[in-house]
Amino acid sequence: QKEVEQNSGPLSVPEGAIASLNCTYSDRGSQSFFWYRQYSGKSPELIMSIYSNGDKEDGRFTAQLNKASQYVSLLIRDSQPSDSATYLCAVNILVGGGFKTIFGAGTRLFVKA
Amino acid sequence: GAGVSQSPSNKVTEKGKDVELRCDPISGHTALYWYRQSLGQGLEFLIYFQGNSAPDKSGLPSDRFSAERTGGSVSTLTIQRTQQEDSAVYLCASSLGLAGGLFTDTQYFGPGTRLTVL
Repeated sequence: QKEVEQNSGPLSVPEGAIASLNCTYSDRGSQSFFWYRQYSGKSPELIMSIYSNGDKEDGRFTAQLNKASQYVSLLIRDSQPSDSATYLCAVNILVGGGFKTIFGAGTRLFVKA
Repeated sequence: GAGVSQSPSNKVTEKGKDVELRCDPISGHTALYWYRQSLGQGLEFLIYFQGNSAPDKSGLPSDRFSAERTGGSVSTLTIQRTQQEDSAVYLCASSLGLAGGLFTDTQYFGPGTRLTVL
């Protein structure tokens, strides 16, 4: 089982719709969770981080975390064509004397105008 | 302030040659990560540094790959006897790491080095 799993997509939604991106993780000790966006040919950039169960909203983006189900999701409201990108879920896990970040393979999102 | 920088931005080499990729992290960031991304694929973790130490080297694909970090700052990823399957974008990221705390750690990525092995 992969440590962080995402549906590779592509996920296609019409402009103005809600895009729902999902991620599951295997390490129950994980404490911090991140969503990164990566445009084609560019480096990933952080969209949101979440550490507690529940919802966290930032503008059109809402991250949801359920540690019992080992599940984290990202909702994008009023999707725009400019949201078309690959969305990477990332989880921090403890390793040795520190920790590292494990990325999922990413979900490709297409927002149709 | 300055972000993460990587050099070179592009590197074309012949099979069997050695290459060195450099990463300059954001000042004050104690953690540094190397990833590899092949075309259309996700991020493949290679190695993680906390300070000058590498707690996790499990992602290095083979003994042809090595990395070091000196002075808690600049890192170099070396690939010896390059093979065509090494062709990819190599991304470096830095974060506050333990200095910032597990809960708030955010990685900032450099622009990457595109490696092409002919």
